[in-house]
Amino acid sequence: DQQVKQNSPSLSVQEGRISILNCDYTNSMFDYFLWYKKYPAEGPTFLISISSIKDKNEDGRFTVFLNKSAKHLSLHIVPSQPGDSAVYFCAASSQGTYKYIFGTGTRLKVLA
Amino acid sequence: SQTIHQWPATLVQPVGSPLSLECTVEGTSNPNLYWYRQAAGRGLQLLFYSVGIGQISSEVPQNLSASRPQDRQFILSSKKLLLSDSGFYLCAWSAGQGYNSPLHFGNGTRLTVT
Repeated sequence: DQQVKQNSPSLSVQEGRISILNCDYTNSMFDYFLWYKKYPAEGPTFLISISSIKDKNEDGRFTVFLNKSAKHLSLHIVPSQPGDSAVYFCAASSQGTYKYIFGTGTRLKVLA
Repeated sequence: SQTIHQWPATLVQPVGSPLSLECTVEGTSNPNLYWYRQAAGRGLQLLFYSVGIGQISSEVPQNLSASRPQDRQFILSSKKLLLSDSGFYLCAWSAGQGYNSPLHFGNGTRLTVT
């Protein structure tokens, strides 16, 4: 049972344009959502998070949007840079469980 | 600042041999600790987590076990490795309060069972 889903395994974007990565979840108890970036042979790096009391959180070039009714979140990267090329994971957690459930990842390639 | 150390970086072990991967966290106290595994081409699978010394929660029944002998030390073990245990193992921590606190990962261990 995949509670967190990233249905696009890969995405290619031109440098300078917007990258939009999507994530869907099924568990309505999730109330904290995170995005991570991962390079090969390294651990994931935390990018940005959002709690369920908000619908948007912004940090520099990264913005996360949360649509609770649709159980959907997205990560926007503007402008995209070649160094953004990596695998991006979304994750979700719910209060009191201490568990973080990850999606399967989306490989982003930013073309120069 | 907080840091997480995980070793070794790579490991090649024969089937049936034992395993011990160690992870330590510095610069924080009472962290929640986690072991994840990423199999080839797959997402991050939660294996074990711990919210205190001696406390272990197992998410997936398998050939592995975990222990937390000290507050900031987390160990992943196996008595006899299987081929299916190959993968990229990641240790992570979050603040002890747990809620709305991000996970921070180590650099991982690439385990190849031959």
